[in-house]
Amino acid sequence: GDSVTQMEGPVTLSEEAFLTINCTYTATGYPSLFWYVQYPGEGLQLLLKATKADDKGSNKGFEATYRKETTSFHLEKGSVQVSDSAVYFCALSGSGNTGKLIFGQGTTLQVKP
Amino acid sequence: DTEVTQTPKHLVMGMTNKKSLKCEQHMGHRAMYWYKQKAKKPPELMFVYSYEKLSINESVPSRFSPECPNSSLLNLHLHALQPEDSALYLCASSQVGLEETQYFGPGTRLLVL
Repeated sequence: GDSVTQMEGPVTLSEEAFLTINCTYTATGYPSLFWYVQYPGEGLQLLLKATKADDKGSNKGFEATYRKETTSFHLEKGSVQVSDSAVYFCALSGSGNTGKLIFGQGTTLQVKP
Repeated sequence: DTEVTQTPKHLVMGMTNKKSLKCEQHMGHRAMYWYKQKAKKPPELMFVYSYEKLSINESVPSRFSPECPNSSLLNLHLHALQPEDSALYLCASSQVGLEETQYFGPGTRLLVL
């Protein structure tokens, strides 16, 4: 079945460091890919998405490119801030899933001043 | 506006109580979802409604009873819960379709004593 694998956390970075959170997927067909962020005590917020191969999603300085050849959707940010501390979930939806989102396990990011 | 609202924000209930969680959206979405999220884990899908009809029930115990009274509202009725049901309950909505983006509410944090 479809699945999403994220890098293990927690990830601890200093402010202004470069961030990469790896995400790879297994899916039939051509899923849409998403990154959601969950701040402490809150629900999930859509961070960015991509719907087809080579699409780049971007928002708030975060970027991720849909790479079909490597089945990856890695999240990157050039300079993280303390306010970026949160849990990040990679997810996919698409054919065969009847609208269900398949989530990765989540990666906790802690940014220190 | 991509807002999904949920009430209450927090709920404490005993194992013999009956309570309800409420979710509302005004984005014209015709698909609505209930998820359960335990600490440090990704959300787990419970139910999906499409055009106000239950389309997916992920083998959820009958002590959880969903209801979709109209296209904007989604309820989750709770009865005779167990302590292991304590979790964050998230509502989401989307357009109907396999790859549509789901927008999440802030959640209701439930504690069962």
